[in-house]
Amino acid sequence: DGGITQSPKYLFRKEGQNVTLSCEQNLNHDAMYWYRQDPGQGLRLIYYSQIVNDFQKGDIAEGYSVSREKKESFPLTVTSAQKNPTAFYLCASRLDRGPNNEQFFGPGTRLTVL
Amino acid sequence: KNQVEQSPQSLIILEGKNCTLQCNYTVSPFSNLRWYKQDTGRGPVSLTIMTFSENTKSNGRYTATLDADTKQSSLHITASQLSDSASYICVVRDDNAGNNRKLIWGLGTSLAVNP
Repeated sequence: DGGITQSPKYLFRKEGQNVTLSCEQNLNHDAMYWYRQDPGQGLRLIYYSQIVNDFQKGDIAEGYSVSREKKESFPLTVTSAQKNPTAFYLCASRLDRGPNNEQFFGPGTRLTVL
Repeated sequence: KNQVEQSPQSLIILEGKNCTLQCNYTVSPFSNLRWYKQDTGRGPVSLTIMTFSENTKSNGRYTATLDADTKQSSLHITASQLSDSASYICVVRDDNAGNNRKLIWGLGTSLAVNP
């Protein structure tokens, strides 16, 4: 899992509540990413940030929000507008120096909305 | 149709045996192809990254090959161990600026190594 931490590992929330997932990295990486993983589907990109105070929508950004106030932190908020929030959420970071640098992933947070 | 197709979907082998996983893709142009290993309930871990000009890359008992002409890649695992039980995911980096040069993820091959 490198130097990326995600907390908590398991999270339960009631329907209609917003919830924020934490992602911290101490690798001094420029870029950070949030993915969602569902059974039978490949990883899907929610949001990404290539630099502090800037972020871009991925393929499935609706119902999610992010912030990048510090280089090492990229929290993801799952809002009540996300219609099917139960999933495994993965945060990743990358040293943004060209296309061939690998992404390092955190251990993931499994969110269950009851 | 997914731009990155992997086969087989699942595979069971005995400890000590070799196996080969396949990845076919239609992404074009692409800048690199990656193989990741993902243990159940954990984040993916990078095994290899190959640029479009590379044919093979090894990482211990893992050897990846790439044929950019036929748009095929394989991951060969030698002398399998119980700890190799995981999902193996093929990922291709789309080099189209209009697609934000994003990663296209396959669905993975689930490998079980039995004693």
